[in-house]
Amino acid sequence: SYELTQPPSVSVSPGQTASITCSGDKLGDKYVYWYQQKAGQSPVVVIYQDRKRPSGIPERFSGSNSGNTATLTISGTQAMDEAEYYCQAWDSSTVVFGGGTKLTVL
Amino acid sequence: QLQLQESGPGLVKPSETLSLTCTVSSDSVSSNNYYWGWIRQPPGKGLEWIGSMYYGGSTYYNPSLKSRVAISVVTSKNHFSLKLSSVTAADTAVYYCARQRSGSYTLEYFDYWGQGTLVTVSS
Repeated sequence: SYELTQPPSVSVSPGQTASITCSGDKLGDKYVYWYQQKAGQSPVVVIYQDRKRPSGIPERFSGSNSGNTATLTISGTQAMDEAEYYCQAWDSSTVVFGGGTKLTVL
Repeated sequence: QLQLQESGPGLVKPSETLSLTCTVSSDSVSSNNYYWGWIRQPPGKGLEWIGSMYYGGSTYYNPSLKSRVAISVVTSKNHFSLKLSSVTAADTAVYYCARQRSGSYTLEYFDYWGQGTLVTVSS
């Protein structure tokens, strides 16, 4: 079965850039989606189709996907961005989620 | 604004069947280009996709759960349901329902989620 691998945790200082990776075999050939889940809340999509932002998502969120790695980048990270982030893809008729990355804004 | 609301028992006994319903407001489960899905999250763990269904009948399930799962869409009530049989403690989780966008050849992302409901499997 297809697997998506994320680092368990990433730390960033306020105002700096945070990068969260998601790795999978030939991931660049698939669309990747990113969700933000704050404590006690439902996930919210922040990036779809690799790099598109839904309405209402701040411009500081961006995405890329090439080769075996997709990356969610948060520029000018704010305290409110502290959350768990999950990548998701579609492979062989199944939805696959990454294990999640806890973003800590120190 | 689309809203989804999960409902069902919060406690299920081992070996029994977990049944949940998701009621959809401000949209129709018969909408084109959308699937309706279930995702779960064990306490303190990550997201696990359970399955997704189109009102016309097309269904996709997580292979690891496929033998125990059934999702149905009831257009007359504008809701969809999840049944998970032979549950164990490992099925204890927050269960989310969500709307999923579909592309030409793929299912895409979940754009609206319910608030989630905790189901505990215990005797």
